[in-house]
Amino acid sequence: GIQVEQSPPDLILQEGANSTLRCNFSDSVNNLQWFHQNPWGQLINLFYIPSGTKQNGRLSATTVATERYSLLYISSSQTTDSGVYFCAVERRGYQKVTFGIGTKLQVIP
Amino acid sequence: GAGVSQSPRYKVAKRGQDVALRCDPISGHVSLFWYQQALGQGPEFLTYFQNEAQLDKSGLPSDRFFAERPEGSVSTLKIQRTQQEDSAVYLCASSLTVAGSYEQYFGPGTRLTVT
Repeated sequence: GIQVEQSPPDLILQEGANSTLRCNFSDSVNNLQWFHQNPWGQLINLFYIPSGTKQNGRLSATTVATERYSLLYISSSQTTDSGVYFCAVERRGYQKVTFGIGTKLQVIP
Repeated sequence: GAGVSQSPRYKVAKRGQDVALRCDPISGHVSLFWYQQALGQGPEFLTYFQNEAQLDKSGLPSDRFFAERPEGSVSTLKIQRTQQEDSAVYLCASSLTVAGSYEQYFGPGTRLTVT
């Protein structure tokens, strides 16, 4: 099956700092999403981004499908950004969605 | 309308009991997915429905796991003779159209603890 690797696995940021999270995948994909799982376990959609660049407030994402990676940028981080960030991909020709292991982010005041 | 809802939110079962977990997708969403998330891990795919048809059940870990969506809306994940290794959060997601072409929206999950 498709492999999804996320880095870094853990990240501690001072409030106000910027960060970049990376997702590498091993095969062509139809679908790529970034999620934030909050401390209560709810998965919140951040971006649906099989290719290209999108921005939403302090967050932006870029997927380069031909090179099989995606980046999530968090600027001016806030304590409410803490949680686990997941990349999830759907391999072309399959319905099954594969998640990475996530990046655990802690933003400290 | 409202987002994806799941019930119960928490379930404690004694080993050997049967459990049933319910998912109410967003109204009008064609596709429905079940995932299992162990502590500290990412969600793992269990099964996928397009309307009432179960198109992929390759992720179900054993024949004790069974899912249905008889009218193409509400879905139930049933686990028979629960084992301790079944303890996890079970997540349901729905999407507007067929898999591969639209984003998935997740429910809050059901945390199952088998004692």
